[in-house]
Amino acid sequence: DTGVSQNPRHKITKRGQNVTFRCDPISEHNRLYWYRQTLGQGPEFLTYFQNEAQLEKSRLLSDRFSAERPKGSFSTLEIQRTEQGDSAMYLCASSPLGQGPNTGELFFGEGSRLTVL
Amino acid sequence: LAKTTQPISMDSYEGQEVNITCSHNNIATNDYITWYQQFPSQGPRFIIQGYKTKVTNEVASLFIPADRKSSTLSLPRVSLSDTAVYYCLVVKGNTDKLIFGTGTRLQVFP
Repeated sequence: DTGVSQNPRHKITKRGQNVTFRCDPISEHNRLYWYRQTLGQGPEFLTYFQNEAQLEKSRLLSDRFSAERPKGSFSTLEIQRTEQGDSAMYLCASSPLGQGPNTGELFFGEGSRLTVL
Repeated sequence: LAKTTQPISMDSYEGQEVNITCSHNNIATNDYITWYQQFPSQGPRFIIQGYKTKVTNEVASLFIPADRKSSTLSLPRVSLSDTAVYYCLVVKGNTDKLIFGTGTRLQVFP
């Protein structure tokens, strides 16, 4: 399977713990996106990278959230001191350089579901 | 970004054609209309994109009138597996991200 891969698929944690999610994009895709989705809502944009550069961060991305893409390949999204409100599906997507939402499509992974107790 | 309005939910039966209309009154000249489909516990999947008139692919057709203030996603002969949430998005020509609304929840019955 050469699609976008996200790990872990499910994570249950206690309030106050740190969690990290990993995303492996499609290999030739230079752009990588993180979204968050809660029940009954559409995905909310968090941040995106072009290669290793983080080009945009949403105001939704508080100081407890940090995303990295150190070598321009896989990316990690870390949430520190988790809160119950962080419970959501965290989605990763990628697209090729030169193509974006307006000229092509974003390829989404299956997401990582976080439950904070 | 142009705000989109689409029905919260729709019901249909297998074999019927389903048309989901989306309003985007403030669409700008360089905006594209894009539709995504999302099944439970999966990420959204691109269905179709258009600028004006009609676009058709193996999954759906997209009808866009001349004023581009609305668009209609047409799914021919739906099956149970088409039960999903469908998102209408207006995408700026120079944007690098998608902004999703709440979508239309389509339920297909046998």
